[in-house]
Amino acid sequence: SQQGEEDPQALSIQEGENATMNCSYKTSINNLQWYRQNSGRGLVHLILIRSNEREKHSGRLRVTLDTSKKSSSLLITASRAADTASYFCCFTGNQFYFGTGTSLTVIP
Amino acid sequence: KAGVTQTPRYLIKTRGQQVTLSCSPISGHRSVSWYQQTPGQGLQFLFEYFSETQRNKGNFPGRFSGRQFSNSRSEMNVSTLELGDSALYLCASSLSTGFSGNTIYFGEGSWLTVV
Repeated sequence: SQQGEEDPQALSIQEGENATMNCSYKTSINNLQWYRQNSGRGLVHLILIRSNEREKHSGRLRVTLDTSKKSSSLLITASRAADTASYFCCFTGNQFYFGTGTSLTVIP
Repeated sequence: KAGVTQTPRYLIKTRGQQVTLSCSPISGHRSVSWYQQTPGQGLQFLFEYFSETQRNKGNFPGRFSGRQFSNSRSEMNVSTLELGDSALYLCASSLSTGFSGNTIYFGEGSWLTVV
């Protein structure tokens, strides 16, 4: 059964705008990680947030985690065309689970 | 530092055959995990190995198996291939088991097509 879902499924924005994607999960988690995947390639690690953290920043990325709502969000500020990719949340419960992914298109 | 290396990158197999995929983790990483990615099912966890022992397992049939060697390199085997096994198989490594909160680093994947 699907343990994680992301929304929106697809997002199209202009370069320079901010992009926000959300991940909701069903199980209790130890930590949550966000990954980027360019078409047909492997996953690139973006950021890890532990279950006792509420917010984390890394460059243009901001991740929040609300364990009471079982949700996380990834904000990419000042987006660039190179940010075009699919973004996945990954969390550990009794195994590794992934969200359904958000396909982000940044239009130059 | 070299990343996670997977071989082969692309392969085509016939139904009923078996396939072995190889993964070399980042130097110093002792945990290797495997994942299957398909358009229909998304990313799914197969299993994780740490210190040559399978530590965690996803919900896949016994046709999917793996092993880890003393140098942390890992292989994944799929026997009696089915058309539905066509997928991108991703390997990832981490310092310790990914369940302990370590960052997981992925390879580029092996594209398997079953015809």
